[in-house]
Amino acid sequence: QVQLVESGGGVVQPGGSLRLSCAASGFTFSSHGMHWVRQAPGKGLEWVAFIRFDGTDKFYADSVKGRFTISRDNDKNTVDLQMNSLKPEDTAIYHCARVALGMALDPWGQGALVTVST
Amino acid sequence: DIQMTQSPSSVSASVGDRVTLTCRASQGIRYWLAWYQWKPGKAPKLLIYAASSLQSGVPSRFSGSGSGTDFTLTISSLQPEDSATYFCQQSDSFPYTFGQGTKVDI
Repeated sequence: QVQLVESGGGVVQPGGSLRLSCAASGFTFSSHGMHWVRQAPGKGLEWVAFIRFDGTDKFYADSVKGRFTISRDNDKNTVDLQMNSLKPEDTAIYHCARVALGMALDPWGQGALVTVST
Repeated sequence: DIQMTQSPSSVSASVGDRVTLTCRASQGIRYWLAWYQWKPGKAPKLLIYAASSLQSGVPSRFSGSGSGTDFTLTISSLQPEDSATYFCQQSDSFPYTFGQGTKVDI
């Protein structure tokens, strides 16, 4: 079945870096764009970044532009999110999600918790 | 950026009730609107895509309608397992944006 599994979350100090990875299985990964979406504690969903199926186009939320980089490896079926210059407001559960019908996001991974704190 | 506004922010209803949630976009998004169900500790689940298309495996009591700027999600007969928060999301243009959510209590 289609599955997305995130890894790489953890606790980091402000100004630090972290790299999240999302492992995909059960579908032709190289045919689908991929997103990262985050949910801060007690808050709603915030779209973070998108990468086209072939990696040629990338888009970012203004809140992370210049600090986060999305990338993918179609041979390894993974999509990564490199997060630099982390801020306390980046604390959230980060989900990867696949582009599905109607440009919707489906499925979503369970998420990786990133905590930015001293 | 396109702002998505959901109403109400919360609703309390009984089993069997018909519940209608609203999502409004700050500018026209054609039909590029999806609805998700979220329960704490779980990944969001796609219910409706392209404003009115039911995702495979989703119960038929869920339906979506609208185009342009005004959209609705209707649960025709509320069930206990529908207790959750529902988010709308536009995919008309980047940055994609979500509504703030509507919490449905049974």
